[in-house]
Amino acid sequence: EAQVTQNPRYLITVTGKKLTVTCSQNMNHEYMSWYRQDPGLGLRQIYYSMNVEVTDKGDVPEGYKVSRKEKRNFPLILESPSPNQTSLYFCASSSRARGWQYFGPGTRLTVT
Amino acid sequence: TQLLEQSPQFLSIQEGENLTVYCNSSSVFSSLQWYRQEPGEGPVLLVTVVTGGEVKKLKRLTFQFGDARKDSSLHITAAQPGDTGLYLCAGAKGGYQKVTFGTGTKLQVIP
Repeated sequence: EAQVTQNPRYLITVTGKKLTVTCSQNMNHEYMSWYRQDPGLGLRQIYYSMNVEVTDKGDVPEGYKVSRKEKRNFPLILESPSPNQTSLYFCASSSRARGWQYFGPGTRLTVT
Repeated sequence: TQLLEQSPQFLSIQEGENLTVYCNSSSVFSSLQWYRQEPGEGPVLLVTVVTGGEVKKLKRLTFQFGDARKDSSLHITAAQPGDTGLYLCAGAKGGYQKVTFGTGTKLQVIP
């Protein structure tokens, strides 16, 4: 079954404690992205990757890091989380040709 | 700056009514996508439009891309409770890697 998986689904942490949210896709897609979704602001792209070792900033990259060492994985790293990063995060993947984005189930992050 | 404005933000209608959701921008997009998102889940793609003036139909849903590729609309005929959800438009410039989403339209269809 074609899917994008994210872990964990829910995370409560404290300010400054480094965390990683994993994302994996099984469709051999070239493109992967991270978004955050906040009430009234919609989905905003944090980072995207066009292929292994190729990443670029989206609209709201501050406070986040990503890496793409393997085609299937695209982890999101928060080196020093702050309360304003409390949000619902989605990972997505798509093929270069079709652009049909498959989204993961989401990770709800709370930073206290 | 929000590049894609959706209207209305909220819509509550009775089953069987028709509705239209609008997605507007001052920017030109090479393609525009519509997604539906249900609570607790990720968005699911409904359609992609790429040609100015293009109209696509998906059962009771009709999607149109503006001639200038700056706006789009989603029309639902005879809405059903199963249509309830958050509708999102998303525009891409050039390739599909960088996508901008609209703020969304929350639709509630009352039986």
